[in-house]
Amino acid sequence: AQTVTQSQPEMSVQEAETVTLSCTYDTSESDYYLFWYKQPPSRQMILVIRQEAYKQQNATENRFSVNFQKAAKSFSLKISDSQLGDAAMYFCAYRRGIISSGSARQLTFGSGTQLTVLP
Amino acid sequence: GAGVSQSPSNKVTEKGKDVELRCDPISGHTALYWYRQSLGQGLEFLIYFQGNSAPDKSGLPSDRFSAERTGGSVSTLTIQRTQQEDSAVYLCASDLRGRGRDTQYFGPGTRLTVL
Repeated sequence: AQTVTQSQPEMSVQEAETVTLSCTYDTSESDYYLFWYKQPPSRQMILVIRQEAYKQQNATENRFSVNFQKAAKSFSLKISDSQLGDAAMYFCAYRRGIISSGSARQLTFGSGTQLTVLP
Repeated sequence: GAGVSQSPSNKVTEKGKDVELRCDPISGHTALYWYRQSLGQGLEFLIYFQGNSAPDKSGLPSDRFSAERTGGSVSTLTIQRTQQEDSAVYLCASDLRGRGRDTQYFGPGTRLTVL
């Protein structure tokens, strides 16, 4: 079974600074996808960024980028120029890619990191 | 262009009562998922529907939980004889075809409180 570990329950960052959230995962599969979701107090889970395991290039989305280390099974999220609106719970998630009989496509989530942005 | 919607937003019930939670996925999405988010267990997968295939119920915690999806669209999650440990936020998500590369879009969730 796949597992996702986020070792930082809470993080804080000064507005306009950079912060990195850590995530490690365990899998024996070769085809998979990794995601970072953001959940503000409204409860709405919002996709921040996605990484395909077969791609060596790290994904970037504006101020958000990842450091994907496949051999180390590490998938960290870097937020640059942090804004007050970035404050939320961040979840790292794993999803298998290969179709096989009986397999589902559900996301496996880490326990989350609560990010506080200080003005 | 509407997103995933869920109702009710909040539900308070008494122990032993049955509850129904509703999810309306994004139009055209064939895959639908239910997750449960609780303080002690984090985010857990419950059940998955893909098109006309038999649902994957491997995440349902007990036989008090069931779900159906009518006409390949709206889904209802039913919890019978609710217990206090069922208190949680129930999240629904949908995606285009249930493939690994597809992005799952989440609804705002239903917060269930069992007294």
